[in-house]
Amino acid sequence: NAGVMQNPRHLVRRRGQEARLRCSPMKGHSHVYWYRQLPEEGLKFMVYLQKENIIDESGMPKERFSAEFPKEGPSILRIQQVVRGDSAAYFCASSPRTTEGEQFFGPGTRLTVL
Amino acid sequence: ELKVEQNPLFLSMQEGKNYTIYCNYSTTSDRLYWYRQDPGKSLESLFVLLSNGAVKQEGRLMASLDTKARLSTLHITAAVHDLSATYFCAGGPYNTDKLIFGTGTRLQVFP
Repeated sequence: NAGVMQNPRHLVRRRGQEARLRCSPMKGHSHVYWYRQLPEEGLKFMVYLQKENIIDESGMPKERFSAEFPKEGPSILRIQQVVRGDSAAYFCASSPRTTEGEQFFGPGTRLTVL
Repeated sequence: ELKVEQNPLFLSMQEGKNYTIYCNYSTTSDRLYWYRQDPGKSLESLFVLLSNGAVKQEGRLMASLDTKARLSTLHITAAVHDLSATYFCAGGPYNTDKLIFGTGTRLQVFP
């Protein structure tokens, strides 16, 4: 059973460009979460999605950031007009929604904004 | 909102020694997780603690949860170099699915 997959693993963008980060959850998992990790810090929750629905976006910046999890295909975190402060590692996690609520993390996408 | 604090932030310990990492959280949480992260890598799930008094052990690591004190501990027994990593605790606020992470404890085990 393949784990959570994320691509690309590394992404370099210049200021003002768009970044698209993809996440495919583990087989059988329908719940996807995105977290951001700044250097030397813990992970910060961004958004929680189920298929075709955003359940909790309380951690998403109000502007430039959006997320989706379509009926078919991976979940996508999109950052428009990137700035240097967006440089971070972005982790996706998935869950089967058991009572334990355990989340399994992907390898992350490391975004560098030049 | 739930806040999670860990201490110490850095821990340098000699092989063979024992030590404990502490995780305090600010409001009631119905679940507590411990993760391990190696440099440049993703997070590996270590323990899931769901009830007061829960204790789980895996190898040289043992985690416990005291919901009344809002405290979880990760105890390391007879540390070995392979345990060198950053350890995070994370709490799950009631009625939400998100996780709130602590700042992490960077553990270095030396000979």
